[in-house]
This record gives sequence, structure tokens and C-alpha cells, in this order.
Amino acid sequence: AQSVTQPDIHITVSEGASLELRCNYSYGATPYLFWYVQSPGQGLQLLLKYFSGDTLVQGIKGFEAEFKRSQSSFNLRKPSVHWSDAAEYFCAVAFYNQGGKLIFGQGTELSVKP
Amino acid sequence: DSGVTQTPKHLITATGQRVTLRCSPRSGDLSVYWYQQSLDQGLQFLIQYYNGEERAKGNILERFSAQQFPDLHSELNLSSLELGDSALYFCAGSRGLRDEAFFGQGTRLTVV
Repeated sequence: AQSVTQPDIHITVSEGASLELRCNYSYGATPYLFWYVQSPGQGLQLLLKYFSGDTLVQGIKGFEAEFKRSQSSFNLRKPSVHWSDAAEYFCAVAFYNQGGKLIFGQGTELSVKP
Repeated sequence: DSGVTQTPKHLITATGQRVTLRCSPRSGDLSVYWYQQSLDQGLQFLIQYYNGEERAKGNILERFSAQQFPDLHSELNLSSLELGDSALYFCAGSRGLRDEAFFGQGTRLTVV
């Protein structure tokens, strides 16, 4: 079955430290992959996307993600975390043969220590 | 600001009632998606419309329905509401069928 797994429910990092959020997907065809961020009481903001081409994609707010087909992964990274990055992060895969609906992972809540 | 507008932001209603959630996508968006976010189910796809036509259906209850109007705004109708329908309902818009989706701020529905 098609699915997205975010193994870490909650991660805490110190401000200024690096960050990696994990995402694994299960999908038979070439995936279209996304990371969204949700701040408390807010909607989902698109951080970055992978459609094809270069497997390292850059996003907004200094985030990047790397697509690794062999590992079925699309991990999100940031070299230096800021307190304002505290939020919930969702990995998602789009099924364009089904109209483009998104299947989301369960989310990873990021806390940032001062 | 994504440019996708949802109204109302908050809605409190009683069990058995019917409500309508509204979504205005960005100018140029032909596709509109509805999602439900709850603590136990996470983010679930409900339904998609493209240029006025239903395109895909997810785990949408029969008590729920949606439509997309000629001006491309969309409405999600929830009827015979139950306590378990309390959730955050998101609308998202995309230009076409193979473009990234941009989400609105959501409507928080509380059924009491």
C-alpha cells in the first residue's frame, strides 16, 4: 500500500544545531515528494518539493531535502536551527495518477531549546 | 500567506447540525482539495475538484459533500454532525493536476 512514514514523532534540538527529519515512502512509481510545515494554529506551508532531476532540493527558510530512491527516503535538513523553526513538519507524496492527492506522514514535532 | 482563503476560521456547532465551509483558491488555481486533520487520523484527503468536476475521492463520509463553482471557489458541506467530526479542515489549491498544492489556514470545527 502507498504510505509515508515519519519515524520520529517528536525531536528536540538546540538552537544553532543541525537538524535532520526523516521520511520514508512506499510507492510503486516515481514519487512527487513534499515537505510542509505547520506552526501552531496555522495552515500548512510548503517548504520544498521534489518532482525530478537533482536529488538535492533547496527550499525556503534555509531547508533542503535529499531524495534517495534506493532508500525510499526524502529527509529534510537544516544546518542551523532557529527558535522560530519550532513547528510540526509533514512529509507528503503526491499521486498524480489519482488527480494529485497528497498522502501525508504522521508528522514530526520539532522543539528548539535555547 | 498562501493566497488560499478559507472561511470561517472557527466554527462551533451542535451535534446533528449542518455546516458549510468555504474555500477560495488562488487566482489561476483550477484544482481544489479538501483535507481533514484530526489527532487520531492525522491529515486525510477527502475530495478533489478540478475545473468544476469531481476528480478524486478519498475517505469522505456520505454525510459530507462538496462542490466547486464556476468561479472555482469550493464549499464543503458537513451534515448530521457528530462529535467525532470535530477537526481542522483544510482546503488547498493548485494550478493544474501536476502542480504543488498551497493550503489555506483551515477551518477549525468543534461539534458539541
